[in-house]
Amino acid sequence: GQQLNQSPQSMFIQEGEDVSMNCTSSSIFNTWLWYKQDPGEGPVLLIALYKAGELTSNGRLTAQFGITRKDSFLNISASIPSDVGIYFCAGQLGQDGQNFVFGPGTRLSVLP
Amino acid sequence: DSGVTQTPKHLITATGQRVTLRCSPRSGDLSVYWYQQSLDQGLQFLIQYYNGEERAKGNILERFSAQQFPDLHSELNLSSLELGDSALYFCASSVTTQGGEREAFYNEQFFGPGTRLTVL
Repeated sequence: GQQLNQSPQSMFIQEGEDVSMNCTSSSIFNTWLWYKQDPGEGPVLLIALYKAGELTSNGRLTAQFGITRKDSFLNISASIPSDVGIYFCAGQLGQDGQNFVFGPGTRLSVLP
Repeated sequence: DSGVTQTPKHLITATGQRVTLRCSPRSGDLSVYWYQQSLDQGLQFLIQYYNGEERAKGNILERFSAQQFPDLHSELNLSSLELGDSALYFCASSVTTQGGEREAFYNEQFFGPGTRLTVL
C-alpha cells in the first residue's frame, strides 16, 4: 500500500532557528496536508496543498507540493517554544479514507 | 477548536469489555473518519462513513464496528477489548464533495480532540 516517509524523525533546535522537514512517497498524491499534534490532542491542520509545485504560507510556516507529486516539505521560520509537537504530513489520492495516508511524524523540540 | 467533538475524553475499562466512542462532525460535514493512534505511533485509518453509509475500510479489527446516524454523528464500538486496544481514538470529518475542481479542498480532514482508551 501507499506509505509516506518523514524526515527527520525528530529534531532539537534552538528557539529562533528555522526548521525544515520533508515527506516523501513512492506514490503520487493529489493533495498534501501538514498537521501538528500536541501531546494528547488531536492533529490540527496547518497547510493544505492542491497542485504540484504549489508553495503556500501560513504565518511562519511555508509548505510546498513537490513537482513530482511524490513529496512535500514544511519550513518553520524563527521557531518559538509553542512550535513543539509532532508534525505529520498526509497525502491524499482520492476522497475515500483509505486513500488518505499519514506519515509517521517528525517530533520537534525547541530549546529556549 | 476544529468544530469536531468527541466523547468521552477518557475511558478506562477492563479486558473483555465493550465500549462506545462518540463523534459529532463539524456542521455541514458529511464524512466521518475514525483513526487509532497507539503510544508514540502514527495515525492508523480504521473506517470512513459518508452520509450514513460505510465508505471505506482500513485496518479495522472485526471486534470493532462503527455507524453513522441520520444526524451525521458517528459511534465507534469496540468489543472484547484487549490490552493492546489501549490507544487514542480520533475521529475526523470533512465535507467530501462529489467531484468538481474543489474536491480536494473539501476533503481536508478536521480532527476531534480524541478519546483516550485505557484497557486494564
